[in-house]
This record gives sequence, C-alpha cells and structure tokens, in this order.
Amino acid sequence: QKEVEQDPGPLSVPEGAIVSLNCTYSNSAFQYFMWYRQYSRKGPELLMYTYSSGNKEDGRFTAQVDKSSKYISLFIRDSQPSDSATYLCAMSGQGAQKLVFGQGTRLTINP
Amino acid sequence: GAVVSQHPSWVICKSGTSVKIECRSLDFQATTMFWYRQFPKQSLMLMATSNEGSKATYEQGVEKDKFLINHASLTLSTLTVTSAHPEDSSFYICSAIMGQGFEKLFFGSGTQLSVL
Repeated sequence: QKEVEQDPGPLSVPEGAIVSLNCTYSNSAFQYFMWYRQYSRKGPELLMYTYSSGNKEDGRFTAQVDKSSKYISLFIRDSQPSDSATYLCAMSGQGAQKLVFGQGTRLTINP
Repeated sequence: GAVVSQHPSWVICKSGTSVKIECRSLDFQATTMFWYRQFPKQSLMLMATSNEGSKATYEQGVEKDKFLINHASLTLSTLTVTSAHPEDSSFYICSAIMGQGFEKLFFGSGTQLSVL
C-alpha cells in the first residue's frame, strides 16, 4: 500500500466551479500536510501547508485535514483557467526534510 | 519566491554513459538540497539528501554508487547518473531549503532523462 494516495485525474471543470482535490494516507506519523501546484515544465510551488487537523484558508484556496480519517482536501473556489496545473499533496512527520508526495492530480479549468 | 535553477531540462544519452545534472540556488544559500525522481504516473520519490561539504544520505533502495551526489558549495549540488541504462529514464528534480520551514523549500524545474 502506498503511503499517500492521490487520484491522478485528469480532472476538467468549467471556469467558476468549485474544485475538490483529495489525498488519503496510511502513515499516522504524518503531522504536516502540504499542497503544491506545478505548472508544465516548472517545479512545484507551495500553495499551503497545515499542521495537524483542521482547516486553513488563503484567498480562494481552503485546505482541510482530517487525521482521524487520514484524509486531506484542497478546495478551490471560483476556479480560473490560470488554476490549470497539476496539484500535488505532500506529507511529513518531521519537517521539510522528508516529504512524501502523492501522484498529483492534473486539473484543467475550461473558460 | 527564491529561485532554484536546474540544468539541463532534458537530456538524451546512450546506454552506458554518465549524465550530470546541476542544481543551483540562485539567490540564497541552501543549507540542504534534495534530489527526487518521478517515474511516469508515479509520485515524486526522495532519492537523497545532501548537505554542503558532507556525504549525501541516500534513501533505502537508492544505489549510492550509481547516483553520485556532490554538494560542493551552499549554492550548488550535482547528481551524476553513472553508466545510465534505460530503466534510469525518469524525471529528476531537485529542491533546496534555506533554514527551516516548508515555505523555505524551493524546487527546480526538473530534468527529463531518456536513456536509449
């Protein structure tokens, strides 16, 4: 069983839709939960990170962590074509030194 | 954000040859650099962690004699794939961190290696 599972998609939605991206994990030692965005031929960029359970909001983006279910989500409100990218979840039990990534979900927002 | 430059962005080589990939932090000194590998439709997998002036720490299952890492300065780390074979064909990506904290970790753009 993979430590982190993420549906690779692809996921295609119309502009303005609410997007939900999810990851599940098996390692209960994970304490830090990250979402990265990766445009084509670019490196991943950190969108948000959360420590332990709870919600975190940043503009149109909301990250949720449910440690009891080992499930994390990223919601994108009022999605824009510029949000089209691959979204990677990542997790760690001990800081930035040891990140475990999901496969990434390829998202396309259609104008 | 800070910039991490990775070169080359893609490389094609013959089986048996060695390939060197460079990772530079352009506007900061990186205390630690990381090397990842990603096979098609799979996740980024950490290969090794390197600190300037010391030997790299390799993840389980990664051959240190095949994937040579040199971290000669606080701004440069290199990954050399020695005697590359087709099964080494993959996307290699580096990251660099200045200090601690996830917001201080920056990734390069990656190198697509194809071994014929």
